[in-house]
Amino acid sequence: DTGVSQDPRHKITKRGQNVTFRCDPISEHNRLYWYRQTLGQGPEFLTYFQNEAQLEKSRLLSDRFSAERPKGSFSTLEIQRTEQGDSAMYLCASSLGTGGPTTNEKLFFGSGTQLSVL
Amino acid sequence: AQKITQTQPGMFVQEKEAVTLDCTYDTSDPSYGLFWYKQPSSGEMIFLIYQGSYDQQNATEGRYSLNFQKARKSANLVISASQLGDSAMYFCAMRDVTGANNLFFGTGTRLTVIP
Repeated sequence: DTGVSQDPRHKITKRGQNVTFRCDPISEHNRLYWYRQTLGQGPEFLTYFQNEAQLEKSRLLSDRFSAERPKGSFSTLEIQRTEQGDSAMYLCASSLGTGGPTTNEKLFFGSGTQLSVL
Repeated sequence: AQKITQTQPGMFVQEKEAVTLDCTYDTSDPSYGLFWYKQPSSGEMIFLIYQGSYDQQNATEGRYSLNFQKARKSANLVISASQLGDSAMYFCAMRDVTGANNLFFGTGTRLTVIP
């Protein structure tokens, strides 16, 4: 039973460059979430997919950010023209559910991608 | 608006002792879920325990129990018989009906278990 995997674990980039992260959810999970965690804070919601459909985006997700989940399997999160403020841990989570998300829905997280923008 | 407050930035506990990590929450929805996650230095968020707002009994999962006081809007995590491997960040989180797509986290408490 493999968990949620994220690649790469660490990414160092220069300001202005584009970066892309990948998330592979637990295989039977239909829901996928992206969160961002900065130092000393809890994770903050960025976006949510049910199968291949992106159903919600946080205001934190500026137009430089784009997420996709082709075919409802793995997901990618791309940040264009990175800024130093983008430095954070980007966490992916997945879950299994029917209908809309429920208050008891448990998320399974990956180990995250640590982004450093120089 | 949802809000989770964890007032203890850091806690220390002697190995084999019990420790309580505090969490208060705020929501206007009558239906909500409360979660605790553990984040070791590896970065992965590990689910520990869940409490539903309508659950009559406090949740327990092995050495973890949740002291749920609905009127006070608190959901404290109790870890019994602490082990060195319990040293990590602990996050309280909530999901309510209004923000059902969003698991809203507090700022966390760093627990250090002393041998």
